[in-house]
Amino acid sequence: IAGITQAPTSQILAAGRRMTLRCTQDMRHNAMYWYRQDLGLGLRLIHYSNTAGTTGKGEVPDGYSVSRANTDDFPLTLASAVPSQTSVYFCASSISTSGGRNEQFFGPGTRLTVL
Amino acid sequence: GQNIDQPTEMTATEGAIVQINCTYQTSGFNGLFWYQQHAGEAPTFLSYNVLDGLEEKGRFSSFLSRSKGYSYLLLKELQMKDSASYLCAVMDSNYQLIWGAGTKLIIKP
Repeated sequence: IAGITQAPTSQILAAGRRMTLRCTQDMRHNAMYWYRQDLGLGLRLIHYSNTAGTTGKGEVPDGYSVSRANTDDFPLTLASAVPSQTSVYFCASSISTSGGRNEQFFGPGTRLTVL
Repeated sequence: GQNIDQPTEMTATEGAIVQINCTYQTSGFNGLFWYQQHAGEAPTFLSYNVLDGLEEKGRFSSFLSRSKGYSYLLLKELQMKDSASYLCAVMDSNYQLIWGAGTKLIIKP
């Protein structure tokens, strides 16, 4: 693989169920991010990780958790899904979280519907 | 609070030039990014500005004025494949990206 992969591509989930969205990158990037994208709103940061073993909260972290056991993987877990978590979820990575032209590379996204 | 403003939608003609504006108010500034996002796809990086002035890359150029909190993306010789959303994002003092809602660009033949 080259770049970032996400799984599943799409999912319909009953409210109250637990769900883990998977994200894997092979670029050896230190930093990884989870965003949600909703119609009419900009991408909103859920959680991020500056390097393996560390995580931080973004703008909208409630109801979500992440882990970063190694450099490549950054799963996002919804402990008990609610309809307001219906969204498109993008995983992204960058070389680091410092300044400069440190663009983020995005995975293809997961379209999640919570009923 | 932090805010990024850009027009919701713009329409232009194939072969023409279009300018997409972005204004921002953020806590700190560590650069401004433009991304392109085709419908149903992931955002892809277009340009980065950290100093005032114009950055040119082929048919696309991006301008920044830090004193005015203003940027624009200029697309020349428009092609049908340029139909997409264009996202403006500013890196704040915490090195996190603050995103605008995006401008949907519709290209007509």
